[in-house]
Amino acid sequence: DAGVIQSPRHEVTEMGQEVTLRCKPISGHNSLFWYRQTMMRGLELLIYFNNNVPIDDSGMPEDRFSAKMPNASFSTLKIQPSEPRDSAVYFCASSLWGNHGYTFGSGTRLTVV
Amino acid sequence: KQEVTQIPAALSVPEGENLVLNCSFTDSAIYNLQWFRQDPGKGLTSLLLIQSSQREQTSGRLNASLDKSSGRSTLYIAASQPGDSATYLCAALENEKLTFGTGTRLTIIP
Repeated sequence: DAGVIQSPRHEVTEMGQEVTLRCKPISGHNSLFWYRQTMMRGLELLIYFNNNVPIDDSGMPEDRFSAKMPNASFSTLKIQPSEPRDSAVYFCASSLWGNHGYTFGSGTRLTVV
Repeated sequence: KQEVTQIPAALSVPEGENLVLNCSFTDSAIYNLQWFRQDPGKGLTSLLLIQSSQREQTSGRLNASLDKSSGRSTLYIAASQPGDSATYLCAALENEKLTFGTGTRLTIIP
């Protein structure tokens, strides 16, 4: 198994531009999570899906952030418009529903200038 | 709201020593607790997962314990090596959400 796959690994964009981060969970996992990591706040849960349905998006910081999971093998996190304070590492993780261990992707390092 | 704390934030020890990393959580109604390792600029690697019904888990030189009643977990690393240098994060799973501590940055001095 290739694990959780995220793309791109690095993204540099200008303020105001739209940014789309992508995630492919482990095959067979039915829960998917988006986290953001910053030096100031550590790892924060943004949103999670179960069976492709968003369950809790209370961690999404603003309406500029949106996430979708159109099928069991793909999810996106979109920021529109992006701002410098969105600069962080964004991680995707997947697991089996029922509180099994999480597996994380390698993350996307986003820099908004 | 679950809060997870890790103390100390940073730790340096000479190679070969045994060491303990601490993790505490405020809500004992957790389903499991997971320890991760993160190398600089890298993702998270799962080290050990302890179910709420378990007291400890072992993998090689690593041993993690869980005491739900006191809201504590420890990660014991035996015979530390320079390659163990990394940030160690604990995370408590509750209501399908994993809440992370802020991590302990471990440096093993050769």
